Amino acid sequence: NAGVTQTPKFQVLKTGQSMTLQCAQDMNHNSMYWYRQDPGMGLRLIYYSASEGTTDKGEVPNGYNVSRLNKREFSLRLESAAPSQTSVYFCASSGHRGRLDEQYFGPGTRLTVT
Amino acid sequence: AQSVTQLGSHVSVSEGALVLLRCNYSSSVPPYLFWYVQYPNQGLQLLLKYTSAATLVKGINGFEAEFKKSETSFHLTKPSAHMSDAAEYFCAVSDFSGWAAGNKLTFGGGTRVLVKP
Repeated sequence: NAGVTQTPKFQVLKTGQSMTLQCAQDMNHNSMYWYRQDPGMGLRLIYYSASEGTTDKGEVPNGYNVSRLNKREFSLRLESAAPSQTSVYFCASSGHRGRLDEQYFGPGTRLTVT
Repeated sequence: AQSVTQLGSHVSVSEGALVLLRCNYSSSVPPYLFWYVQYPNQGLQLLLKYTSAATLVKGINGFEAEFKKSETSFHLTKPSAHMSDAAEYFCAVSDFSGWAAGNKLTFGGGTRVLVKP
């Protein structure tokens, strides 16, 4: 099992450019999440998908959109990147809807917006 | 709204000494609590979790945490630090909203542990 995979690992964008971060899991998990990590602030939830076909906003959704493409894949899109979106982005998944399974994290995408 | 506070953004310990990382939470519902570890340039890995069973929870790599409801705390300890424990540690509380929702986590700011030889 690869677990949770993310592409790309690194990305540099200019202000105003768009990009999509890809995430896939091979654990047959129902729920998937996108977080951003900034120094001293821990991880903050951007969007999540409790199950295939549903998505909901988290704590910091502004400037982002998501797509739950199928049970395995959950993508995060930046339509018009801003320097404030410079961060490390983590995708996570958890097993069964309604159960307190732990979340499994991908290796992260380090994004710099200049 | 739930929140998590981790006291001390950096902790320095000597190899072989006690590791104590503090976590306090606020939650309007019975809390479910987690400790995660992040090694440099990696994702987060679960150390242990509390889900209302035993108040003393044992995790991987010799770590344990005690849930104290009266103090709203979930401090992480390890009796003897090893060089390999150098990492960043995150406490998190679950917003468990029931069968229809996912298991959203609210994280503390993290504590970076430095282990001195």
